[in-house]
Parts: sequence; structure tokens; C-alpha cells
Amino acid sequence: SAVISQKPSRDICQRGTSLTIQCQVDSQVTMMFWYRQQPGQSLTLIATANQGSEATYESGFVIDKFPISRPNLTFSTLTVSNMSPEDSSIYLCSVTGGSYEQYFGPGTRLTVT
Amino acid sequence: EDKVVQSPLSLVVHEGDTVTLNCSYEVTNFRSLLWYKQEKKAPTFLFMLTSSGIEKKSGRLSSILDKKELFSILNITATQTGDSAIYLCAVSGANNLFFGTGTRLTVIP
Repeated sequence: SAVISQKPSRDICQRGTSLTIQCQVDSQVTMMFWYRQQPGQSLTLIATANQGSEATYESGFVIDKFPISRPNLTFSTLTVSNMSPEDSSIYLCSVTGGSYEQYFGPGTRLTVT
Repeated sequence: EDKVVQSPLSLVVHEGDTVTLNCSYEVTNFRSLLWYKQEKKAPTFLFMLTSSGIEKKSGRLSSILDKKELFSILNITATQTGDSAIYLCAVSGANNLFFGTGTRLTVIP
């Protein structure tokens, strides 16, 4: 399976500011995924990021709030814009394995005050 | 609407006990069912099941899928404190991976 790193590991941010989360993979992958896990909840897919095209967002998530970049096959960023306390979550990136399984990065724990 | 339901929501057992975690699903264009273990932030992949009736096994963990009844179970035998975690069930559909809310397992020494 791919080795995935995320930065930052955690952050505490003030409302109204933005945070960019980076995801780096040790091998080239076609699709990268961004998930959110709110406290006590399960994982919810935010968007799918393909290299060379715009990200595909799930219902309830919009590009203005969660802009995503995918400049190459090993890297992606997710920005959480104009943050509010409701954005306090764990943010995870993932990539697919050889079949339908997905492997996750270590996550970014975001707290918005 | 696609959904994945796990039960129980939480479970407390003593070391050495055997536990069974349940996952039922309704997902369009089913491709596979996956089990993950989440201890801190990142879910760790455990199993992927695509065929009915074939048990996947790894050490003390095993899982089986029933595609007719849309159901899977994850068994953990001889539980240890290190098994304490949230166990997530996810189902791969046409384009997405749908997650259940997880079962929080606590193993008491």
C-alpha cells in the first residue's frame, strides 16, 4: 500500500481564517480523496481529486468553501475557507489500492475557536 | 439512498472475550465491503470482501460477507487491550465509499 503523509497533523485556528492541508503520497496515483470526520461521526467524502481536472464535490460541499488543488500525481491540498467552529473535524486524504480499498493518511485534526 | 449501518454502536468486553461486530448495507452497484480499524485519526485497512460466503482471516480477526442478506460480520477472538478502537465498515458503490458510523470497542484488562 502507498505511504501517505499529511501536514499539518493538527491545528487550532480562529474563525474566519483559512487553513490549507497538504497530502503527499509516495507513489503516483490517479485519484485522491478528501474526507471529513466530525466529532463522534463517521467519515464523509468531501471530494475526489483527479490530476489535471477539477475536483468532483459531493452533495453539501462546494468549491468556494473547500478548494482543492491537484498539481501532480503525488500531491494534493485541501483548503478549509472562512472557518467556523462547525468545521472542527479530522480531515483525511486517501488513495485507492490495487482494487476498491482505500488507504488513508494520518489525518489533520482541526479545531476552530 | 445508500446507507451502511453498524451495530452495536459501542461494546465493552474483557480481555479474552470474543466479539462480533455487525454491518448491514444498502448501496447501489455494490463492489466490495471493507473493514477498517480507527485508533486515533487514520483508519487502518483490515479486510476487503467481494464474494459471499468466503471468510477472510488475519490472526484473531475474521470477516465474512453475505451478499444475499446485505450483511457482514467482523469477529475478533481472544480480544486484547490493543484491540480497543473504533471499527468502521465501508461499502464501495459505483463511485464512492460509504462509511458506517462505526462500533467503538473497549477491551478491559
